[in-house]
Amino acid sequence: GEDVEQSLFLSVREGDSSVINCTYTDSSSTYLYWYKQEPGAGLQLLTYIFSNMDMKQDQRLTVLLNKKDKHLSLRIADTQTGDSAIYFCAENGDSSYKLIFGSGTRLLVRP
Amino acid sequence: EPEVTQTPSHQVTQMGQEVILHCVPISNHLYFYWYRQILGQKVEFLVSFYNNEISEKSEIFDDQFSVERPDGSNFTLKIRSTKLEDSAMYFCASSDPTGSSRTEAFFGQGTRLTVV
Repeated sequence: GEDVEQSLFLSVREGDSSVINCTYTDSSSTYLYWYKQEPGAGLQLLTYIFSNMDMKQDQRLTVLLNKKDKHLSLRIADTQTGDSAIYFCAENGDSSYKLIFGSGTRLLVRP
Repeated sequence: EPEVTQTPSHQVTQMGQEVILHCVPISNHLYFYWYRQILGQKVEFLVSFYNNEISEKSEIFDDQFSVERPDGSNFTLKIRSTKLEDSAMYFCASSDPTGSSRTEAFFGQGTRLTVV
């Protein structure tokens, strides 16, 4: 079945770039998403990419998509302590509106 | 900015009791969803709802679960007879399929359900 995998933990120093990786199995994925979850809060949509694109940039965020390898990454430039959170990768197939989430990557930004 | 609102933020209930979780989706959205996240696990899809009926549901969404849109603004999830394993954070979401991203779903803050 459909599956989305992420590494569990990433620690970076403030000011450095962070790269969070995700792999997925559903070749019919139409849209891929990155959500952010701060402690005790809900899921905040950060950005998304359509499957016929290979890159999308939105201020400090860059999403790269390698459709052949089914690999998605989120790069956060100039990472700040406020970026510390759990980041979820999610995808949906063309025939469904439901989202399949990864386990989340906990990003810790050290001062 | 419009947002999805969930109440209560935390619900404690005894095993076997019925519980209803409440959500107010974004007003012009047409698709509504429930997801859950058991502590330390993935966010899992439960059900989607469109045009006053369930459009898709997962294996988790068995006969103990039901959803309803009792009026023009609320969207509820009912668990008929709660079990310990129903303890989780429940997220409501809504989306507008006519937008630039067909399934750009906006999530509420969640209701933490604890079954004791």
